[in-house]
Amino acid sequence: NAGVTQTPKFQVLKTGQSMTLQCAQDMNHNSMYWYRQDPGMGLRLIYYSASEGTTDKGEVPNGYNVSRLNKREFSLRLESAAPSQTSVYFCASSEEIAGEKRSYEQYFGPGTRLTVT
Amino acid sequence: AQKITQTQPGMFVQEKEAVTLDCTYDTSDQSYGLFWYKQPSSGEMIFLIYQGSYDEQNATEGRYSLNFQKARKSANLVISASQLGDSAMYFCAMRETLYSSASKIIFGSGTRLSIRP
Repeated sequence: NAGVTQTPKFQVLKTGQSMTLQCAQDMNHNSMYWYRQDPGMGLRLIYYSASEGTTDKGEVPNGYNVSRLNKREFSLRLESAAPSQTSVYFCASSEEIAGEKRSYEQYFGPGTRLTVT
Repeated sequence: AQKITQTQPGMFVQEKEAVTLDCTYDTSDQSYGLFWYKQPSSGEMIFLIYQGSYDEQNATEGRYSLNFQKARKSANLVISASQLGDSAMYFCAMRETLYSSASKIIFGSGTRLSIRP
């Protein structure tokens, strides 16, 4: 089991360029998430997907789009990168089950360090 | 509104001492879950412990325990017999509305714990 994988690990973009961050999980989880972590801060939720075919905005969705391609894959797209989007991006997945009154830990990918100049 | 507060930006503790990391939360929901994650300097996110709002007993996982005080809305992490490898950032997180798989998780700003030899 690879768990949660993210590509690329590092990326440098110029302002205005676009790119897509890829995320895949092999744990058959329903829920997937994209976070950003700025230096010295906690994680802020960008978008999440509770199941294949659904996506919802988190705390900081502006400037991003997502696609839940299938149950395994959840991609994050920056259409026109800005210096304010310089951050470490984490993808995560968890086994949330509708109707069950407990939650499950999130499994995180290793992160993508993105710099926008 | 859902909110997590960690009031200790940094802490220093002597090796082998016990340490308590504070976390308070705000929610109007009756059904929620609380998590603690560890982030070492290498950057990965490691799940430590989970407490559900319906759980009557405080959660324990090895040297980690969660001091859950529902009326005070606090979920402090206690690490017994601290070790040098415990030096890391620690994040408290919450997920509301456990019966719905579509609810999101938010994180606190973190506490940086440093263990002195």
